[in-house]
Amino acid sequence: DVKVTQSSRYLVKRTGEKVFLECVQDMDHENMFWYRQDPGLGLRLIYFSYDVKMKEKGDIPEGYSVSREKKERFSLILESASTSQTSMYLCASTEGNYNEQFFGPGTRLTVL
Amino acid sequence: GDSVTQMEGPVTLSEEAFLTINCTYTATGYPSLFWYVQYPGEGLQLLLKATKADDKGSNKGFEATYRKETTSFHLEKGSVQVSDSAVYFCALSGWSSASKIIFGSGTRLSIRP
Repeated sequence: DVKVTQSSRYLVKRTGEKVFLECVQDMDHENMFWYRQDPGLGLRLIYFSYDVKMKEKGDIPEGYSVSREKKERFSLILESASTSQTSMYLCASTEGNYNEQFFGPGTRLTVL
Repeated sequence: GDSVTQMEGPVTLSEEAFLTINCTYTATGYPSLFWYVQYPGEGLQLLLKATKADDKGSNKGFEATYRKETTSFHLEKGSVQVSDSAVYFCALSGWSSASKIIFGSGTRLSIRP
């Protein structure tokens, strides 16, 4: 069974902290994605990666960075967390183009 | 660019009612179409998909037919259950989006016993 895991289900951080969200997939997929989900705004793409060490900005990259050192792992980094980054963060992966994405369970991040 | 428009929610139905959630899309070429479901506190799961015109995707009693002529992919279920309460997302992946998926805004469905 395909699996995407995220390092935490719930996370509470303070303003200004550096935050790492980790995502691991076991399907050998080349493409990985980070989204945030907010009420009334749906899913918004933050960053995606189509290969190791490759990254592309999505629709809302400001305040975030990413790292993909290994094919199975894609990390989202909040350099200096702000209260506006309180949200549900979802990781996904897919192989090739025009195919379904597989999602992790999500991390609900609260920044105080 | 590509886009997906789906029915605004929330939708509230009684158990065993018939469900339709409308979804229309704009895309160049022939995109793949998806319905995802998100249960409370969880990530998104693929519910069904269709990859070419007139294909019907089906799963767990839900169905959707890829209609090229009306650019639609409406989700239907003949008899809903309380356990179907969730948020449903229509989505597409097409020529201009490649590996990315374009999601609709989601429709929250509540089923009362």
